[in-house]
Amino acid sequence: NAGVMQNPRHLVRRRGQEARLRCSPMKGHSHVYWYRQLPEEGLKFMVYLQKENIIDESGMPKERFSAEFPKEGPSILRIQQVVRGDSAAYFCASSPTPKRDYGYTFGSGTRLTVV
Amino acid sequence: RKEVEQDPGPFNVPEGATVAFNCTYSNSASQSFFWYRQDCRKEPKLLMSVYSSGNEDGRFTAQLNRASQYISLLIRDSKLSDSATYLCVVTATGGGNKLTFGTGTQLKVEL
Repeated sequence: NAGVMQNPRHLVRRRGQEARLRCSPMKGHSHVYWYRQLPEEGLKFMVYLQKENIIDESGMPKERFSAEFPKEGPSILRIQQVVRGDSAAYFCASSPTPKRDYGYTFGSGTRLTVV
Repeated sequence: RKEVEQDPGPFNVPEGATVAFNCTYSNSASQSFFWYRQDCRKEPKLLMSVYSSGNEDGRFTAQLNRASQYISLLIRDSKLSDSATYLCVVTATGGGNKLTFGTGTQLKVEL
């Protein structure tokens, strides 16, 4: 049973380009969470999605960032017109339930570098 | 004030030592508590959940004090492989399973 799969592992984008980060949850998991870790900082919640629905996007920057989790296929975190400050590690996690006592498993992350 | 506060360290300890990490959280409505471990440039991995009754997993013991809003992790007989950053994590209030992370405490176990 494969874990949470993220790709690409490393992504380099020039300022102004778009970045697309993909996350395939564990089999049977319908809840996906995205977190961002800026250099030398802790992980910060960005967005929580269930299949075809955004449940909580309170951690998403107001502009340029969007997320989706379609009925088929992986969850996508999209960053338009990237800036240097978007350089970070982006981690995705999944769970079979939204219950709060579930310590979910993270994917290995996508390291975005904006040059 | 940060929602979850940890001493960043680093804690440099000799192999075989016992080391304790502490963490405080600000939201009294937090419901679930965890310790995660993060190796350099890797994803965080769940180490253990934390309960008021205390829980132990091998050399690791975690404790929660709800009245003081304080969480601890004790590592006995430290191994070189325990070197990592230890993240204190609580669930936020509101819907779903949103986690709030501390910035971590760095542990270096030396020969």
